[in-house]
Amino acid sequence: DTAVSQTPKYLVTQMGNDKSIKCEQNLGHDTMYWYKQDSKKFLKIMFSYNNKELIINETVPNRFSPKSPDKAHLNLHINSLELGDSAVYFCASSQDGGRGSPLHFGNGTRLTVT
Amino acid sequence: GDSVTQMEGPVTLSEEAFLTINCTYTATGYPSLFWYVQYPGEGLQLLLKATKADDKGSNKGFEATYRKETTSFHLEKGSVQVSDSAVYFCAPMYNNNDMRFGAGTRLTVKP
Repeated sequence: DTAVSQTPKYLVTQMGNDKSIKCEQNLGHDTMYWYKQDSKKFLKIMFSYNNKELIINETVPNRFSPKSPDKAHLNLHINSLELGDSAVYFCASSQDGGRGSPLHFGNGTRLTVT
Repeated sequence: GDSVTQMEGPVTLSEEAFLTINCTYTATGYPSLFWYVQYPGEGLQLLLKATKADDKGSNKGFEATYRKETTSFHLEKGSVQVSDSAVYFCAPMYNNNDMRFGAGTRLTVKP
């Protein structure tokens, strides 16, 4: 069973379009995240949700909007896509309770904006 | 703000060589510390962790010790294999389950 699953795996689209990436976890975790990995492998946190409540919201353009319909899902919607949005986006989850609770990552969504 | 500094790569070693990847963190608090590994085309996998000073995390022959006095969590392996070729990330976790990642170190092991 896949613990953290993201769809789609690959997404190719044109500038100006709106797209969504979906994420689901079946681990029963309370916290979910979105990270962006650029071409140099640098990972930057974008958002995290705990029990559907936004707790980390880094400085990202407001074209990016996370949506958490329930604690097992955290989707990422991107409006008016730009070339610089091309990257690999990773969803992750962790159990609440803080210390020592590792993140479990999905396999990533490679977004290419042309 | 809190940050993590990781040894720059790429690192190229011959099989059976000794590996060290340095990692230092800055924090006003007391983070938990993790190493993650990313194989080509895959997501990140937890390699090992330590949650308090002097703890040693270990897995698959890799080790790292939480050194509070030097704010370090260096990754070591005594004898690397070709299959260890990957990108390695040091990651402290701060309050509110906030995990930050180092820049990643690409390791290539040649036969």
